[in-house]
Amino acid sequence: DTGVSQDPRHKITKRGQNVTFRCDPISEHNRLYWYRQTLGQGPEFLTYFQNEAQLEKSRLLSDRFSAERPKGSFSTLEIQRTEQGDSAMYLCASSLALGQGLNEQFFGPGTRLTVL
Amino acid sequence: AQTVTQSQPEMSVQEAETVTLSCTYDTSENNYYLFWYKQPPSRQMILVIRQEAYKQQNATENRFSVNFQKAAKSFSLKISDSQLGDTAMYFCAFMKHENTGTASKLTFGTGTRLQVTL
Repeated sequence: DTGVSQDPRHKITKRGQNVTFRCDPISEHNRLYWYRQTLGQGPEFLTYFQNEAQLEKSRLLSDRFSAERPKGSFSTLEIQRTEQGDSAMYLCASSLALGQGLNEQFFGPGTRLTVL
Repeated sequence: AQTVTQSQPEMSVQEAETVTLSCTYDTSENNYYLFWYKQPPSRQMILVIRQEAYKQQNATENRFSVNFQKAAKSFSLKISDSQLGDTAMYFCAFMKHENTGTASKLTFGTGTRLQVTL
């Protein structure tokens, strides 16, 4: 399967713990996005990379959140000192860059985080 | 900032019938894209259809078509010959055009849950 993959699919943690999620984009896609989706809402943009450069971060991305994309391949999203309000589905998407084709974003299955 | 509004939290349609999902948006941009994404229960989001704002012709993809009214900032999705597999959350989404020089992030509405019944 050559789609976007995310790991883990589910994560349960206690308040105050740190968690890290991984996203593997479609191999030829140089843009990678992170979104957060809470129950009953549409996904909300968190941050985006073009290759290894993080080009935009939402105000939703507090100081406890950090994302990386070393070598422009997979990406990680870390949440430090988790809070119950962090409970959500974290979605990753990837796409080709400007001028390289359609701008369709392909989504992964998401990581569901539950903070107890 | 852009906003996307979906005023129908839930819709139901019988198999083989036609249903229309509503979406309105607000933006000061002139060049942009609009999308409908489908999120089946416990499955990942997939693109249903896209519309480029500069194109007057409404997009169609098999049983799915849109009614794009740029002046009214309206972008509805029509599903013809509904099938049980169409049961899902449907999200309307907005993206600025790349030539605006900003990130190609999607702004989503709150979604419409569509149930197709026998």
